[in-house]
Amino acid sequence: GENVEQHPSTLSVQEGDSAVIKCTYSDSASNYFPWYKQELGKRPQLIIDIRSNVGEKKDQRIAVTLNKTAKHFSLHITETQPEDSAVYFCAATTFGNEKLTFGTGTRLTIIP
Amino acid sequence: EAGVAQSPRYKIIEKRQSVAFWCNPISGHATLYWYQQILGQGPKLLIQFQNNGVVDDSQLPKDRFSAERLKGVDSTLKIQPAKLEDSAVYLCASSPGLAGSDQYFGPGTRLTVT
Repeated sequence: GENVEQHPSTLSVQEGDSAVIKCTYSDSASNYFPWYKQELGKRPQLIIDIRSNVGEKKDQRIAVTLNKTAKHFSLHITETQPEDSAVYFCAATTFGNEKLTFGTGTRLTIIP
Repeated sequence: EAGVAQSPRYKIIEKRQSVAFWCNPISGHATLYWYQQILGQGPKLLIQFQNNGVVDDSQLPKDRFSAERLKGVDSTLKIQPAKLEDSAVYLCASSPGLAGSDQYFGPGTRLTVT
């Protein structure tokens, strides 16, 4: 089955700086990669996703890149703000499968 | 659009007791998922339903966990008997069932087994 690794497990950045979280996956058939943000005590919420037919997707301060050859994808947050502090999870699945395999999470702390 | 509903939000039980969780997915969503999220870890899929049929229950500890979605809408997840290591947040999610569609999570049920 699919195995997703996520790094780093914790990340602290100064407010206004950029944050990058990286994930690797094992199943070359995976072709859908969502990112979830989970604030303390709350549900995971989808913030951005990317499908294998594109290499990059951007939504305001958030972007995701995908390298299918290397089987890794990354989340980029620019101009970080205190409300970006949360745990971020990457996930991978195969079109038509819908079974998400999650990474272990990254706790992002934005330092004011 | 109403979100995924779950109840109860919190439950504390003693080991060897039984517990049941309820989930109401977003209206019209064919696919329903139950995840277990242990503190500090990512959600782990326990079972996936497509309408009222099981698609994947390979990671469900079937000796103590059971789940059903009889009418293809609401679902219940049961643990009997509970163990200390079952302490976790149990998340229900739903999706329209189309290939690659996004999953929407409920607020979760935080279970503490003492």
